[in-house]
Amino acid sequence: GAVVSQHPSWVICKSGTSVKIECRSLDFQATTMFWYRQFPKQSLMLMATSNEGSKATYEQGVEKDKFLINHASLTLSTLTVTSAHPEDSSFYICSAIRDNQETQYFGPGTRLLVL
Amino acid sequence: GIQVEQSPPDLILQEGANSTLRCNFSDSVNNLQWFHQNPWGQLINLFYIPSGTKQNGRLSATTVATERYSLLYISSSQTTDSGVYFCASGGYNKLIFGAGTRLAVHP
Repeated sequence: GAVVSQHPSWVICKSGTSVKIECRSLDFQATTMFWYRQFPKQSLMLMATSNEGSKATYEQGVEKDKFLINHASLTLSTLTVTSAHPEDSSFYICSAIRDNQETQYFGPGTRLLVL
Repeated sequence: GIQVEQSPPDLILQEGANSTLRCNFSDSVNNLQWFHQNPWGQLINLFYIPSGTKQNGRLSATTVATERYSLLYISSSQTTDSGVYFCASGGYNKLIFGAGTRLAVHP
């Protein structure tokens, strides 16, 4: 159990367009979901924390108008990169917590390339 | 905030060798997890171990919370163990990741 999926796994877009990434908990209800960003050969950096039905909490330095997060249900959170630019190119990973436990379960990630 | 440091940053092993990866954290925490990131980027949960010792096959982990460190042991390494090993620490709402240990196991 505790499977998290992400869609799409790869996306290439033109500069100025918006991209939506979905994160789903497949076999459990996720009380909290997290969005991370990872640049090549670097560690994961937490971008924001989202709880179902409430506004996301963004980490310092993350533009909330640029990275829109919607946690519409207990199994789905979405990250929309608005007006994407080449510097937004990165590996975006989501994770989820079940039943208010501490362990985070991670999705397979989405690679975004903005041309 | 909490700082997490991992060592060594890089490790090269011959298949069959054993290794120990270390994670130091700067403050008392109630969450400590070890992950393996495979070459495709997927993070795989290895251990949730805020204290004590756990074993899972060829892997085991020990966290000494009072001394603020955790160790991950890999025995009889295999080429499939290659990848990046991350330690992450923190609390319920936030995990801080270390920089990782990049492991390459050669046949």
